[in-house]
Formats: sequence, structure tokens, C-alpha cells
Amino acid sequence: KNQVEQSPQSLIILEGKNCTLQCNYTVSPFSNLRWYKQDTGRGPVSLTIMTFSENTKSNGRYTATLDADTKQSSLHITASQLSDSASYICVVIEYSSASKIIFGSGTRLSIRP
Amino acid sequence: KAGVTQTPRYLIKTRGQQVTLSCSPISGHRSVSWYQQTPGQGLQFLFEYFSETQRNKGNFPGRFSGRQFSNSRSEMNVSTLELGDSALYLCASRVFAGPHNSPLHFGNGTRLTVT
Repeated sequence: KNQVEQSPQSLIILEGKNCTLQCNYTVSPFSNLRWYKQDTGRGPVSLTIMTFSENTKSNGRYTATLDADTKQSSLHITASQLSDSASYICVVIEYSSASKIIFGSGTRLSIRP
Repeated sequence: KAGVTQTPRYLIKTRGQQVTLSCSPISGHRSVSWYQQTPGQGLQFLFEYFSETQRNKGNFPGRFSGRQFSNSRSEMNVSTLELGDSALYLCASRVFAGPHNSPLHFGNGTRLTVT
């Protein structure tokens, strides 16, 4: 069964610190993996999209990595800011005519001043 | 460029009623997909439309249906509402459907409460 597992479920860190969120997936065949940020009461916003051949992609203070062999991805946030408090959702797209979209359950990140 | 617009923002309905939600995609985007988000289940895919045709469907009962118009706007209908249908319903648009790398652009959702 195609699944996307995220860890940790929630995380609290101090402003200015770095953190790393994890995503493991079993989706096959794999098309691409996406990280989204969702602020409370808002829709998710795309941070990165990575295909099979990409290992690293950055978007400002956000850096995503992908290991297609182990089917693992991580999202690293550098020098966290209060505005980084949000849920971070890992999404994997299946490579097929159906191109199913499978969501992780998200990591709830809270930044404390 | 205007983002994805969902209306209404909030909705309160009674069990057994039906509801229609609306989504206007970003101009030029031909794919519209719908999602249900609840605290317990997270984000779940409902269906995706492209050029007025349903391209993909999640594991939801037939009470959940949708359609897409020639201008790419989409509506989602839920009939015979149940308490468990209370959720945030998100719509997303992208240029193409299928396993392309075009990002999903989400609206801010419709918060449906069923009493």
C-alpha cells in the first residue's frame, strides 16, 4: 500500500535554531515529492518539488533532500523564525496514468521566542 | 495573478442536507483537485478534474461528487451530510493533470461544519 510517513508528529524549537523534518514513503512508481507549508486556517503553500534525479533543493532557509534509493526525504529549516510556525506536509505523486497524490500526516512545528 | 478562490469560506449545515462548494482556479490552470482535511485523517484526496473530465478519484463514498466547467471553475457537492463530513475542504489548481512537476496551488478552503 502506498504510504507517506512523517516524523516527528510535532516539534517545538527556539527561534534562531535549526531543525529537520523527516518523510519516508513507500509510493511506487514514484514521480515526485513535494513539501508544503500550511499556516493555521490557510491552504498549503508549495516549498519544494523534487524528482527522482534530484538530491537537494533549496528555497530560502528551507532545504529539502531526497534519497530515492531509501525512499526518504528531509526538510531542513535554518535559523528558524516565528513565522515558520506551521504544519509541514510531505506529498508524494505516483507515476502512473492515475498519478495518485499521497499525503503525509504532517509535522506541526512551533517556534518559541 | 489572482490565487485560487474558494467560496464560501465557512458553512454550517444540518445532517441530511446537501452542500455545494465552489472553486475558481488560477487563470490558465486547467486542473482542479479537491481535498478533505480533518485533524484525525489529515489531507485526503477526493478527486481531480482536467478539461471538464474527472481524471482521478480518491476513496470517498458516492455522496461526494464534483464537476468542472468549461472555464475550469469547479464545484464539489456532498449529499446527505453526516457529522463526519465536518472538515476543511481544500481546492487546488495546477496547469496540467498527471504526474507532472507543476506545483499544486491551494485555496484557503471552505470550513464545513455539520450539526
